[in-house]
Amino acid sequence: EPEVTQTPSHQVTQMGQEVILRCVPISNHLYFYWYRQILGQKVEFLVSFYNNEISEKSEIFDDQFSVERPDGSNFTLKIRSTKLEDSAMYFCASSERGNYGYTFGSGTRLTVV
Amino acid sequence: QKEVEQNSGPLSVPEGAIASLNCTYSDRGSQSFFWYRQYSGKSPELIMSIYSNGDKEDGRFTAQLNKASQYVSLLIRDSQPSDSATYLCAVNIQAAGNKLTFGGGTRVLVKP
Repeated sequence: EPEVTQTPSHQVTQMGQEVILRCVPISNHLYFYWYRQILGQKVEFLVSFYNNEISEKSEIFDDQFSVERPDGSNFTLKIRSTKLEDSAMYFCASSERGNYGYTFGSGTRLTVV
Repeated sequence: QKEVEQNSGPLSVPEGAIASLNCTYSDRGSQSFFWYRQYSGKSPELIMSIYSNGDKEDGRFTAQLNKASQYVSLLIRDSQPSDSATYLCAVNIQAAGNKLTFGGGTRVLVKP
């Protein structure tokens, strides 16, 4: 069964450092998303991406965050200067159509120290 | 504030029984509804989607939607210990683009 692949599975970084989280969505999917889940809390929307541009972003997705689809397969989330409160599980997701349920990747656990 | 609300649980059910989970949402314009299962430390896994009023069955799972009352529910029949997980309700709120808004999840414990 097709799956969304995320790397790395776990990233530890020092506060103020830049991190890039990588995702390979399902090949025929057109909509891409990043969500995060702080330990013990809700899954929160960060950003959606369609047709090579951001279609929507949340208040969390401030100037420190950016997304990119550098080629036909990868979808990346960059955090320019990490803060302690950025520590969370980051999930990439993709869907074939905008109104369908997503397939989530296995996640990247980001720990900022 | 567009919200999706769930009872956090835990909902404890004996093996073989029916687990009943409820979810309410605040935006009357919501169109698409999903149930995800999330094991501890893992990513959400889509188990059911429902778009119109009524019941939708898939194996041991039944999703029920009532748009007039703004709730969606999930029934798990013949519950198994492997069903022990957190169940997330997610709603595509019409006015909010294609993003899903998640509830906080209901933790289900199936006891042998």
